Amino acid sequence: DQQVKQNSPSLSVQEGRISILNCDYTNSMFDYFLWYKKYPAEGPTFLISISSIKDKNEDGRFTVFLNKSAKHLSLHIVPSQPGDSAVYFCAASRGAGGTSYGKLTFGQGTILTVHP
Amino acid sequence: DGGITQSPKYLFRKEGQNVTLSCEQNLNHDAMYWYRQDPGQGLRLIYYSQIVNDFQKGDIAEGYSVSREKKESFPLTVTSAQKNPTAFYLCASSEQGWDTDTQYFGPGTRLTVL
Repeated sequence: DQQVKQNSPSLSVQEGRISILNCDYTNSMFDYFLWYKKYPAEGPTFLISISSIKDKNEDGRFTVFLNKSAKHLSLHIVPSQPGDSAVYFCAASRGAGGTSYGKLTFGQGTILTVHP
Repeated sequence: DGGITQSPKYLFRKEGQNVTLSCEQNLNHDAMYWYRQDPGQGLRLIYYSQIVNDFQKGDIAEGYSVSREKKESFPLTVTSAQKNPTAFYLCASSEQGWDTDTQYFGPGTRLTVL
């Protein structure tokens, strides 16, 4: 059962335009969400995160939006640059009170290609 | 220069052999994790450790074993019992292992079993 889904395997965008990557989740216990960027044959690098008490978090060109009622989050990259071309993973975790541990559940990833 | 190192980057083994993947971090993080990535899939958690001398199974622990004798090291052994060991293996660490801690990843090891 895929609890975190990225339904678009790939996305192609022109340089300077907005990239919107989407992620849906099914587990209502998830309360912390992250986006990672990954280049081939490398480890993922952390981009941005959002707690379930917020609906938006912004860091430079990257903004993550969370819609809890729809169990949906999205990552906006504005403006997109060719160097943003990579695989983007969304991940979710859930608190469990004082004994929480950082177990992340990942989506399948979306390949973003930004054309010059 | 703090970070996570995994060695080797590429590893080839014959079927039926055990193999150990190395993961070292100098970030002074308490928690460490092992993930596996297969083509077209997200990362899946194999094992994690929140503190030295303690570790827990993740979602796909069968056929794997780990140890955590030192804070900075968390080696993963892929045993001959793992039915489909060829994959990209990623090690990560986080400060304390809480759900809001950012996990930082190593560069990965690609294991190919022939």
